[in-house]
Amino acid sequence: DTEVTQTPKHLVMGMTNKKSLKCEQHMGHRAMYWYKQKAKKPPELMFVYSYEKLSINESVPSRFSPECPNSSLLNLHLHALQPEDSALYLCASSQAGGSGIGYEQYFGPGTRLTVT
Amino acid sequence: DQQVKQNSPSLSVQEGRISILNCDYTNSMFDYFLWYKKYPAEGPTFLISISSIKDKNEDGRFTVFLNKSAKHLSLHIVPSQPGDSAVYFCAAASGSQGNLIFGKGTKLSVKP
Repeated sequence: DTEVTQTPKHLVMGMTNKKSLKCEQHMGHRAMYWYKQKAKKPPELMFVYSYEKLSINESVPSRFSPECPNSSLLNLHLHALQPEDSALYLCASSQAGGSGIGYEQYFGPGTRLTVT
Repeated sequence: DQQVKQNSPSLSVQEGRISILNCDYTNSMFDYFLWYKKYPAEGPTFLISISSIKDKNEDGRFTVFLNKSAKHLSLHIVPSQPGDSAVYFCAAASGSQGNLIFGKGTKLSVKP
């Protein structure tokens, strides 16, 4: 099973709303990632969790708050977003560790977020 | 400064012929390279990867070639099929970090 699931598929929210994106994998991967992708651009890394601990935060604004409740789940809490935050938000997972292990990241289908 | 470059935004190929997608990188610390395929409104799908200790990796119709001295890799698809039409992203990683650096992608169109 190489599936990463993400919910919801689509989300429309106002600038004052609070919402959460969810991601789940059952591949036993211990590294999970959030990416943001704008149209016709490559995915941009936001956060990396390794063994349920935040290991990389790519200077993401605090209106995005990640959470890793356990090794299978990854959440992204959203609050007071701006219209320019509208994008496809992708979750990915991989084995953890360097030395050539864990680079193959498996992506979910993404959540299409629109901020009005 | 882009560390991973895909200089061709698009490529059109006839069905049955070879598709060659190119990727250049600037960071000599990269030691692992991957190709992803992406359909609209879907997440990227992992295709094939290569470690810097190899110069070729093959998986069915897909072959990735790595030229470390030129800091260049390419993905060959042969024979190309209409279902291969998608955006292909090249990505690179280094041993010190697990995150991937993506190129901007090349849109491949395979004509029947």
